[in-house]
Amino acid sequence: EAAVTQSPRNKVAVTGGKVTLSCNQTNNHNNMYWYRQDTGHGLRLIHYSYGAGSTEKGDIPDGYKASRPSQENFSLILELATPSQTSVYFCASGPWGQNTLYFGAGTRLSVL
Amino acid sequence: GEQVEQRPPHLSVREGDSAVITCTYTDPNSYYFFWYKQEPGASLQLLMKVFSSTEINEGQGFTVLLNKKDKRLSLNLTAAHPGDSAAYFCAVRLNTGGADRLTFGKGTQLIIQP
Repeated sequence: EAAVTQSPRNKVAVTGGKVTLSCNQTNNHNNMYWYRQDTGHGLRLIHYSYGAGSTEKGDIPDGYKASRPSQENFSLILELATPSQTSVYFCASGPWGQNTLYFGAGTRLSVL
Repeated sequence: GEQVEQRPPHLSVREGDSAVITCTYTDPNSYYFFWYKQEPGASLQLLMKVFSSTEINEGQGFTVLLNKKDKRLSLNLTAAHPGDSAAYFCAVRLNTGGADRLTFGKGTQLIIQP
């Protein structure tokens, strides 16, 4: 089973502050993803990556940046956090071309 | 872009009864289909992935039906038990290559009553 680890699991941030959510996977998957989950919206794709050094915009990238410094690590960065970014964030990874995503446990972010 | 509508948003059935969750999608190029299960406070676990060439797929205690003509995907839980209480999400991927970008439905909260 693929192992995807997110940190922190819970985070409280202030409006205007910088927040970094981290994701690590140990299964050498090429593709990694950041989703947010909100009641009534399901999961929506923020950013994704094909491999180290690559980041691509998903469906709702505004207000977020991503960084993929290595095959194992994929970070989501909120430079100026806003209350509308209060959500549960899921990282996922997947091997190229196998159409299967493995999700981390999620990070619950509250922006006050 | 692809749109996925999932119904119903909430479903309550008695233990031993069946439960049906349905997703409809818009893009005829949709090629891969997924059902995920999310227990309270937990992450998403893959239940089943379905390719467009197969219309009926059976798992342990459930069946997934794909109707390509109507662009409809359904998850049928037979003889529901308390462990089935969870949120269920369908997801759809286009056959366009590249990273596996999935479009998710909004989810169904399923409650199994004793």
